[in-house]
Amino acid sequence: EAGVAQSPRYKIIEKRQSVAFWCNPISGHATLYWYQQILGQGPKLLIQFQNNGVVDDSQLPKDRFSAERLKGVDSTLKIQPAKLEDSAVYLCASSQLRLAGAGNEQFFGPGTRLTVL
Amino acid sequence: AQKVTQAQTEISVVEKEDVTLDCVYETRDTTYYLFWYKQPPSGELVFLIRRNSFDEQNEISGRYSWNFQKSTSSFNFTITASQVVDSAVYFCALSESNYGGSQGNLIFGKGTKLSVKP
Repeated sequence: EAGVAQSPRYKIIEKRQSVAFWCNPISGHATLYWYQQILGQGPKLLIQFQNNGVVDDSQLPKDRFSAERLKGVDSTLKIQPAKLEDSAVYLCASSQLRLAGAGNEQFFGPGTRLTVL
Repeated sequence: AQKVTQAQTEISVVEKEDVTLDCVYETRDTTYYLFWYKQPPSGELVFLIRRNSFDEQNEISGRYSWNFQKSTSSFNFTITASQVVDSAVYFCALSESNYGGSQGNLIFGKGTKLSVKP
């Protein structure tokens, strides 16, 4: 079974530029998550989708970050314009949809390492 | 408030030593799940274990074991006879069923970097 795919693996941009990350979850997984992992810290949730609807985007800086999952499969996360503090690894994860919600095992992709200069 | 604390930032051991990684959590929910993930240098988070709040049985999987104690809000992870391949950052995480209506979100600790030297 193929895992969660992400691209690109690395990206270097200058501040105020825009950047986009792509994620393809495990086939059949209804729930998709984007996390931001700053160096030396644990991942922090940015946004959660269930199929193509947003479940939680309370920690997404909406003035500069946006995300979509139009067909309920793959997803794109965009930053525009980027700031120095956006330098981090952006992780995508997916899980199956279960009635209880919490407790689902999340499968993570390899991440995209973003450096903002 | 929901919180996961991993007080040990870095641990260094010599191969074959046993090592315990500590995890303390805070939650107001009565139903929640606890996880451990491993993040090797390649960067991908690898699932190790999930435990729900109603199951306090300890679990053993090969050289790995987990001790869940609700009385002290701890979910500690022990590696027996450590190996060089165990070198990684280990994250403890909490998932609540009623947090803001967003079920399944993982709240991570800051991680513990384990270095196992030959």
